[in-house]
Amino acid sequence: NAGVTQTPKFRILKIGQSMTLQCTQDMNHNYMYWYRQDPGMGLKLIYYSVGAGITDKGEVPNGYNVSRSTTEDFPLRLELAAPSQTSVYFCASSYSMNTEAFFGQGTRLTVV
Amino acid sequence: ELKVEQNPLFLSMQEEKNYTIYCNYSTTSDRLYWYRQDPGKSLESLFVLLSNGAVKQEGRLMASLDTKARLSTLHITAAVHDLSATYFCAVDGGSNQFYFGTGTSLTVIP
Repeated sequence: NAGVTQTPKFRILKIGQSMTLQCTQDMNHNYMYWYRQDPGMGLKLIYYSVGAGITDKGEVPNGYNVSRSTTEDFPLRLELAAPSQTSVYFCASSYSMNTEAFFGQGTRLTVV
Repeated sequence: ELKVEQNPLFLSMQEEKNYTIYCNYSTTSDRLYWYRQDPGKSLESLFVLLSNGAVKQEGRLMASLDTKARLSTLHITAAVHDLSATYFCAVDGGSNQFYFGTGTSLTVIP
C-alpha cells in the first residue's frame, strides 16, 4: 500500500520555467490537497479537490494551477516559476473532512 | 481568515517531565487535527478532534478540544527522546480548508 506518492523529491527551476508536481494516491480518497511549507512555518493550502473534476482555491493559489481528472491523481502546475515559490510542497489526501489526512513525502523546490 | 496560534514555538524539556502545547484559533470551528513532523520528513497524523470536549490519547500524548474557548491542548506525559519533533495543529476553517499553526518544535533532552 503506497499511500500518497509525490514526484519529484527535489527540483531546481530557473525563473520563468514551468513544471508539474505529480501526486497520486491509492486509497480511493475523494479529498486531495496541495500545501506549501516555507522554512520554519506551518503549511498553507494552495488548492484542494473534493472529487474528480472538482477543484478549488485555497489560501495561496496565485501562480499555481491544478487538475483532477481521476480520483487517484492531483497534479500541481507552476507556469512561470518565481523565487517566491521556493518552498517544500506537500500533497495530501483524506477520505472525508472528519478523517485524518495522509501526506506525501514532499517536493523540495528551489527557484533561482 | 482564520488565524491559528501555537505556543510555545520552541520547547526544550527534560526526559520524564510533563508539558502542554497550546493551540488557539480565531473563529468558530469544531474540527481540529494534530500532526507530527520529524526534520526533513512529511507529516504524520496524531489526532482528529471532532467535537467540543473531545479527548484522545495515544501513548504519552493526549489531545483535547474546547470549542467554546477555541483552544486545543496537546499534553505530553513523561517525555522521552523519541517525542522530539515539530507538532502542528490544523483547524477546519470551513469550505474544506484547513489552517495550520506555525508549529511547536519540541526537543527532549536527557
